[in-house]
Amino acid sequence: GQQVMQIPQYQHVQEGEDFTTYCNSSTTLSNIQWYKQRPGGHPVFLIQLVKSGEVKKQKRLTFQFGEAKKNSSLHITATQTTDVGTYFCAGAGGSYIPTFGRGTSLIVHP
Amino acid sequence: SAVISQKPSRDICQRGTSLTIQCQVDSQVTMMFWYRQQPGQSLTLIATANQGSEATYESGFVIDKFPISRPNLTFSTLTVSNMSPEDSSIYLCSVSPSGKDTEAFFGQGTRLTVV
Repeated sequence: GQQVMQIPQYQHVQEGEDFTTYCNSSTTLSNIQWYKQRPGGHPVFLIQLVKSGEVKKQKRLTFQFGEAKKNSSLHITATQTTDVGTYFCAGAGGSYIPTFGRGTSLIVHP
Repeated sequence: SAVISQKPSRDICQRGTSLTIQCQVDSQVTMMFWYRQQPGQSLTLIATANQGSEATYESGFVIDKFPISRPNLTFSTLTVSNMSPEDSSIYLCSVSPSGKDTEAFFGQGTRLTVV
């Protein structure tokens, strides 16, 4: 079945440093979604990428979808303490149900 | 969008007992999804709940252990039966009201501890 690998599992940064998390799928995806889960909270949708090579930005967050639609990345510029949380990618392969990556926990040190 | 009310938010239960988790959505949705999230781990799909039919369970999850009800298009329950400490986890319900492969909305989660 479809597998979505996400790295790294944890990332410690100093406030102001950049952060990147990567997702790779074993199969071609129809789309990829990104979610953020704050400590003690539930996942909250950030964005969805559909097109090959697509790049989307939300303020300091940049999302990319690979040309082959098998990988994706989330990059945060100049992290802030409010960025703390776990970032999940979720790949959809044509069924109703996306497959979630393991998540990357971002820890920002002030 | 969708707003999901999930309860209870947390519970501590004795082994061998059962807990029923409820999710109420503010709009009608065809499918509701139940996930389990163990501490520091990803979301694992337990089952998909369809109104008017039996739930569809993922590999490793069975109806006797996790019975699901879906009496209408805005409500679902998940029961964790005959609990053991290994069932300690966060349980989340989810919907995608815009349809296939679209944004998912999650309930606040139920943090279950089995002692």
